[in-house]
Amino acid sequence: AQTVTQSQPEMSVQEAETVTLSCTYDTSESDYYLFWYKQPPSRQMILVIRQEAYKQQNATENRFSVNFQKAAKSFSLKISDSQLGDAAMYFCAYRISQGGSEKLVFGKGTKLTVNP
Amino acid sequence: EPEVTQTPSHQVTQMGQEVILRCVPISNHLYFYWYRQILGQKVEFLVSFYNNEISEKSEIFDDQFSVERPDGSNFTLKIRSTKLEDSAMYFCASTESENSYNEQFFGPGTRLTVL
Repeated sequence: AQTVTQSQPEMSVQEAETVTLSCTYDTSESDYYLFWYKQPPSRQMILVIRQEAYKQQNATENRFSVNFQKAAKSFSLKISDSQLGDAAMYFCAYRISQGGSEKLVFGKGTKLTVNP
Repeated sequence: EPEVTQTPSHQVTQMGQEVILRCVPISNHLYFYWYRQILGQKVEFLVSFYNNEISEKSEIFDDQFSVERPDGSNFTLKIRSTKLEDSAMYFCASTESENSYNEQFFGPGTRLTVL
């Protein structure tokens, strides 16, 4: 069964600094997708960034980038130039690729605090 | 920007009562999901729904649960006889197609409290 582990329940960062959130996963599949979702307090989860497992190049979206290590089954999220609005719960998620299960498998989340 | 909406935001019920959680997915989306998150635990998949039938369900989704798309806009989750352990945040999600790369758009959730 696929599992996703986020080993950091809470993280904090100073405004304008960089922070990295960790995620590891376990799967026997070779083709899959990985996602980072952000959930601000009392708001819905929104997609931050996604990565296709067959692509070696790490995905980037503005200040957000990932370090995808397929062999190590690691998918960390780096937030550069942290802003107060980045404070939220961050969830790492996995989904098997086409033809398999449709479900997202989530980690437990990391609560990110941004200090002014 | 279109978004998934859910009502109510908070539902309190007595054990053994039936509850219906409502969701309005994004209008051109075809695939619908329910997830739940017990406090302090992972977000867990419950069920997916396409073309008016369940396409996948988890072991959590037992006979006490049912889903329905009663009209062209609403997607509901019914719990027939609630238990204390059903207390959780319930998230609805929708997506355009079954392409696994597609983003699942989530609603803000309904907090269900079973007393």
